[in-house]
Amino acid sequence: DIVMTQSPDSLAVSLGERVTINCKSSQNILYETENHLAWYQQKPGQPPKVVITWASTRESGVPDRFSGSGSGTDFTLTIDSLQAEDVAVYYCQQYFYAPFTFGQGTRLEIK
Amino acid sequence: EVQVVESGGGLIQPGGSLRLSCAGSGFSFSSCGMSWVRQAPGKGLEWVAVISSGGTTAYYADSVKGRFTISRDNSKNTLYLQMNSLRVEDTAVYFCAKAQPGAIAAPIDSWGQGALVTVSS
Repeated sequence: DIVMTQSPDSLAVSLGERVTINCKSSQNILYETENHLAWYQQKPGQPPKVVITWASTRESGVPDRFSGSGSGTDFTLTIDSLQAEDVAVYYCQQYFYAPFTFGQGTRLEIK
Repeated sequence: EVQVVESGGGLIQPGGSLRLSCAGSGFSFSSCGMSWVRQAPGKGLEWVAVISSGGTTAYYADSVKGRFTISRDNSKNTLYLQMNSLRVEDTAVYFCAKAQPGAIAAPIDSWGQGALVTVSS
């Protein structure tokens, strides 16, 4: 199985600052030109919401302060200028090989 | 508006069986792979199973393989999860999730609100 490892497990950042969350897969999840990697945001008491697919495609309705990057085995979710509503747990997931495993999550708080 | 709505959760004794359903609307159900993802209380997301758009291919997490069965009825726009030999550690909120249209290897783009399954004596 592909193991997804996120870092850090949690972080606290001041409003307006940049946030960087990392995700590493134990195997290459790039096929041709597509990285099979998604990022999800989960706020307390809510289901997850998709933020980024194919490693770098921002989903409809997601603010442009969110961006995804990386390829192969190393990926990053970046939030430019953190807003209060971005407080959540963020998960990466690979959908290249079943089981389509998630990372353990990164809890983002306001400093 | 895309919607996926779970039903069928509840309290069940260890060793028992339960079937979850998920009704899809607002999208071409038969064009999308569908998944179940669970979340134990206070824990992270755990992928459970996926089924292809036509229902011919399914994959499972090792933790549920041989006990859970994912299926779908495209004529009813409904996804199912048959859960047998339930264990205390299966206690979780079970999310139904829709993938982008196309291949089974596609990202989830919509989630249901979840159905709570509690396995306890």
